[in-house]
Formats: sequence, C-alpha cells, structure tokens
Amino acid sequence: DGGITQSPKYLFRKEGQNVTLSCEQNLNHDAMYWYRQDPGQGLRLIYYSQIVNDFQKGDIAEGYSVSREKKESFPLTVTSAQKNPTAFYLCASRLGNTGELFFGEGSRLTVL
Amino acid sequence: AQSVTQLGSHVSVSEGALVLLRCNYSSSVPPYLFWYVQYPNQGLQLLLKYTSAATLVKGINDFEAEFKKSETSFHLTKPSAHMSDAAEYFCAVSTSGGYQKVTFGTGTKLQVIP
Repeated sequence: DGGITQSPKYLFRKEGQNVTLSCEQNLNHDAMYWYRQDPGQGLRLIYYSQIVNDFQKGDIAEGYSVSREKKESFPLTVTSAQKNPTAFYLCASRLGNTGELFFGEGSRLTVL
Repeated sequence: AQSVTQLGSHVSVSEGALVLLRCNYSSSVPPYLFWYVQYPNQGLQLLLKYTSAATLVKGINDFEAEFKKSETSFHLTKPSAHMSDAAEYFCAVSTSGGYQKVTFGTGTKLQVIP
C-alpha cells in the first residue's frame, strides 16, 4: 500500500547527540514536510521541500537540518543545537497543489 | 501570511449530541482549508477539505464543514457524536502557488461522554 513510513517510532538520546529521523514515501508526491508537535501547541513547521534538492525553513528550523536527495526520502536531523528536542515529530507529503497532506505515524523523541 | 485559530482547546459533548468545533482563518489570498483528526500517538488523517468548490463540504464519518468567507470561518460539525469520535481535531490552511506552506491550528480535543 502507498503511504508514508517514519522510523523509528520511539527514540531516546542523550543530550549533546545528533539524531536522524527517517521519512520515506511511495506516493510519488513532490512536496514533503516536517512538523513538530507539542501538547497545546498544535503542529509547527520545521522544514518543507517542494522538490528534490530544494527545501525551505519553516517557523522553527533552528537546531534542525534536512536533505532531499531523492524524491522518496526526506530525513530530519535533530542536532545538539536544538534546545528542547523532546517532542513528537510528524512527516507528511502533499497531494497536488491544494495543500492536502498525507502523514506518517510519527516519531517520538525523548532526550534523557 | 496565513494563520488559523481554533476556539476551545477542549470540547465535551454527550454521545448523540451535536458536535461543533470552531475554526477561523486569516489569509491574504483565497485559501484551501482542511480538517484533520488525530488519535493518540498516531499521525493525522484528513476528514474533509475545502478547495473553492462547494462551500458546504462533506467528509468521512458524517462530519461536514461550511466555508463562510464573510466570517473567515470553517467550523466542523457532526449531527450526532459517537464514542469513537473522541480524538484531537486540527484545522489547517494553505494557499495555491509558490511554496505551499500548510499552517495548522493548535487543535481541539473532543471528549464524548456516554
């Protein structure tokens, strides 16, 4: 079945370590997004990519980095510069030009 | 710039009662509007979308929403709540052209009381 696969679902890291969250899609969508979700704050946009080898900072990009070398893949690296990385991270891809998003199941990162 | 405001972070209804979740948007150009639902520790699923066709939009599980340009609103309703409707609901806005940023509201948690 077509969809978005995020891994790992749960991840623990020590302070000062970088961690990379995987996002793969087989929907043949051009655009992909990363959001961070914290209780009571909704979804906040970290990065988005319209096409391969192109991406734009969202509202809270500091401390994060991404790459888009393949259409299917949009990994997110949470660096040690991110002051409060514990959160639920959601990856999505966009259908067409209306903004309709398809989401993965999320990755929950906990910094110990 | 675009934004979404969801009024009420928590809403409680009795089973069988009307569900009304409020969403107001701000956009400098004609918007596309969406409602998504999220169950605990899962991703979001699309309930319905407005893309400039009919202003009354019907979605899955008997949910519907009406686009009112004069009120900049896109409220979500369901005639009769079921226990399975208990979840968090997000309103979102995007616009056509350029880099399509999709902006979400802060969410409304719906509790259904038996």
